[in-house]
Amino acid sequence: GESVGLHLPTLSVQEGDNSIINCAYSNSASDYFIWYKQESGKGPQFIIDIRSNMDKRQGQRVTVLLNKTVKHLSLQIAATQPGDSAVYFCAETALGATSGSRLTFGEGTQLTVNP
Amino acid sequence: EPEVTQTPSHQVTQMGQEVILRCVPISNHLYFYWYRQILGQKVEFLVSFYNNEISEKSEIFDDQFSVERPDGSNFTLKIRSTKLEDSAMYFCASVKREGVEQFFGPGTRLTVL
Repeated sequence: GESVGLHLPTLSVQEGDNSIINCAYSNSASDYFIWYKQESGKGPQFIIDIRSNMDKRQGQRVTVLLNKTVKHLSLQIAATQPGDSAVYFCAETALGATSGSRLTFGEGTQLTVNP
Repeated sequence: EPEVTQTPSHQVTQMGQEVILRCVPISNHLYFYWYRQILGQKVEFLVSFYNNEISEKSEIFDDQFSVERPDGSNFTLKIRSTKLEDSAMYFCASVKREGVEQFFGPGTRLTVL
């Protein structure tokens, strides 16, 4: 039968390992992409963003890669820590559209960091 | 650091009742949003609001929903007659002038019985 709700993809890593979380987007018109972290019971928290005129952007311990050809986004977390355990969502929007454009969120990936 | 706040953190209501979810966006922000997240699912856009009017709404945001900015600080989402399927986390977000990053509040968990 049909399942109720979604089963999040999961990624389990050891503390200190690097993590890679992937996301596919569908809207070719999207030109701005964001990664959000969501801890249990909390709202999405901004991690890093990238515009479509770039293919890579680095922050502190995080890197976002954008492949517009295959509409793929990834988040790399270096030296993953237990505090990184959360659900990670990618989001997209078209800044060239109306001001304050909506965000379209991806399905989310549950990252678990084992000490 | 300024942040978006939301009240209440948890609202329990009976089916058919009206609820009002409240948000205080960051003070110099001009664009406001409501999103919802059904348990275990992704975050979904409901509505965006700018210059005292709705700029965009999703198919979820039907006639049962309304938004208002009653004063210079609050931004509210009203559900006129709640249904069981309205049970979800509701997040408010805001963006500053010329900005793109949406800052999210902690959410209100709505439970419809």
